[in-house]
Amino acid sequence: QKEVEQNSGPLSVPEGAIASLNCTYSDRVSQSFFWYRQYSGKSPELIMSIYSNGDKEDGRFTAQLNKASQYVSLLIRDSQPSDSATYLCAVNIARKGAGSYQLTFGKGTKLSVIP
Amino acid sequence: DTEVTQTPKHLVMGMTNKKSLKCEQHMGHRAMYWYKQKAKKPPELMFVYSYEKLSINESVPSRFSPECPNSSLLNLHLHALQPEDSALYLCASSPFGANSGANVLTFGAGSRLTVL
Repeated sequence: QKEVEQNSGPLSVPEGAIASLNCTYSDRVSQSFFWYRQYSGKSPELIMSIYSNGDKEDGRFTAQLNKASQYVSLLIRDSQPSDSATYLCAVNIARKGAGSYQLTFGKGTKLSVIP
Repeated sequence: DTEVTQTPKHLVMGMTNKKSLKCEQHMGHRAMYWYKQKAKKPPELMFVYSYEKLSINESVPSRFSPECPNSSLLNLHLHALQPEDSALYLCASSPFGANSGANVLTFGAGSRLTVL
């Protein structure tokens, strides 16, 4: 099983709709979870972090975490064409026997918001 | 200052050249990272420095040589690269050492490398 899995998409939604992005992870003891947005040719930009079960809202973005199901999601309300990008789910996963953690990325979901 | 600054933004080099990528942060972060990203792929970890010591080396070929001169600077020295090494090289930093499970990474804008 891959450590962080996302649907690669592409995901197309009309402008003004809700975009729903999903991610599952394999390490039950992971503590921190992130969503990065990456525009084509640019570097990843942190848009949400979540550390405890439940929902976390920031403007049009809501992150949801369910540690029992090892599932993280990102909802984008009132989607705009400027939200068109690749969204990377990232999880801090313990490196076996190393006493350190590594931020592990999913393959990313490409979102297109159609005007 | 909440930025990670990478130079150069673009680099073209031949297979026999020696060049360096540079990264700087002034946020007091304790860990710094090099990632490599190919088109349509996620970032791939190369090296991690934690408290200025090399903490993780993901079995990267020796033609890539990292250096951390001080807590704010990170270099990646390049020598005898291959065309398949062409990629976006991303530097990142995080507030805590690599033994923290709560680290949040801030990325620089990246250095686009082309090897001819």
